[in-house]
Amino acid sequence: GDSVTQMEGPVTLSEEAFLTINCTYTATGYPSLFWYVQYPGEGLQLLLKATKADDKGSNKGFEATYRKETTSFHLEKGSVQVSDSAVYFCALGYSTLTFGKGTMLLVSP
Amino acid sequence: DGGITQSPKYLFRKEGQNVTLSCEQNLNHDAMYWYRQDPGQGLRLIYYSQIVNDFQKGDIAEGYSVSREKKESFPLTVTSAQKNPTAFYLCASSLNGPATNEKLFFGSGTQLSVL
Repeated sequence: GDSVTQMEGPVTLSEEAFLTINCTYTATGYPSLFWYVQYPGEGLQLLLKATKADDKGSNKGFEATYRKETTSFHLEKGSVQVSDSAVYFCALGYSTLTFGKGTMLLVSP
Repeated sequence: DGGITQSPKYLFRKEGQNVTLSCEQNLNHDAMYWYRQDPGQGLRLIYYSQIVNDFQKGDIAEGYSVSREKKESFPLTVTSAQKNPTAFYLCASSLNGPATNEKLFFGSGTQLSVL
C-alpha cells in the first residue's frame, strides 16, 4: 500500500541555519504530495503542496519539489527562525491522505 | 471567523464507558474526517464522510462510530470496544470530497485519556 517515510527527529538547529527534512514515498500512480505543520497543542495546517512531477510547492520561505524519479518530496528552508519550531508531516494522497510519522524541528536562538 | 471547533479539549474515559467527541465546522465543507494521532506514529484515519448521512471507514475504524446528520457536525464516539483509546484526536474538513486531494482544515484536537 501507499506509505510515507520521513527522517526521524528531533532536528535541532540554530536560528538562520539551513533546513532539510527528508520525505520519500511509495505509491502506485501519481499522488499529490503535501507538507503540513503542527504547532504545540494545535491541529495541522497545510504548509505547501505539489500535484505533479517537478512541481515546486512553496510558502513562508519553505520549499519542496515533487521528484518522481527519486520518489521524494524533501522540505527545505534557507534560514530557519525560532518560530518555525514545530512538527512537520509529509503526506500523499489520491483520495484520503496518508501521513508520515512527523519530524520535530527545534530551533534555538 | 470560519473554522473547525473540537470539544472538549481534554476528555477522560472510564473503563467500559463510551465517550463522544464533538466536531463542528462553519466552512460549508462537504467532507469531514477523524484522525487519531499517537506519539511518534503520525496520523491515522478513523472515519470520513463525503456528504450528509454517508460515511466510510478509514484504516482504524474498529471500536469507533460516527454519524453525519448535519453538514456542520461529525461527532466521533469512542466505544468500550476500543481497548487503547488514549490518543490525540483530530477532526478535519475539506470543501469537496476526498478524491479531489484538497487542502484539509484541522481543528485543534481533543486529548482523550483513560482513567
